[in-house]
Amino acid sequence: EPEVTQTPSHQVTQMGQEVILRCVPISNHLYFYWYRQILGQKVEFLVSFYNNEISEKSEIFDDQFSVERPDGSNFTLKIRSTKLEDSAMYFCASKPDISGNTIYFGEGSWLTVV
Amino acid sequence: SQQGEEDPQALSIQEGENATMNCSYKTSINNLQWYRQNSGRGLVHLILIRSNEREKHSGRLRVTLDTSKKSSSLLITASRAADTASYFCATASDKLIFGTGTRLQVFP
Repeated sequence: EPEVTQTPSHQVTQMGQEVILRCVPISNHLYFYWYRQILGQKVEFLVSFYNNEISEKSEIFDDQFSVERPDGSNFTLKIRSTKLEDSAMYFCASKPDISGNTIYFGEGSWLTVV
Repeated sequence: SQQGEEDPQALSIQEGENATMNCSYKTSINNLQWYRQNSGRGLVHLILIRSNEREKHSGRLRVTLDTSKKSSSLLITASRAADTASYFCATASDKLIFGTGTRLQVFP
């Protein structure tokens, strides 16, 4: 069964460093998402992406965050200058179209900022 | 916010018992979805119920939706130790908004 894949599975980074989290959505999907989950807390929406542009973003998704679809398969989340509070699991997700379809999630990338 | 809120926050049962988790939300929705998350792992989609549906079954899962009360329930019948996980409801319009989750512990 097709799946969303994410790399790296775990990354440790120094505060202030830039991090890029990578995702390969399911191949025929058109809508892409990033969510995050701080340890022990709920899953929070960060951003949605469609037709090569951001369609919606949350207040968490401030100027230190950016997303990009550099080619036909990858979808990346960049955090420009990491803070301790950015430590979380980051989930990529995709769905085929705008209708009420299932959103499929990757296994997540654990980011630890030290 | 159309955030889902689950209750109970935690539930411990014996294998073979049924587990019922409830979810409430605040605004109108296109559909409501239930996800499962094993500790430290990704989110696995369990079942989707559309706003015009009242009940849906999938294997040992039964989901109900009451749009007048803005609530949903997930019933897992004949639970197994492997069902131990956190369960989240998520309401959907353009994106999913997740609730706080129910941590289910099934003892063998």
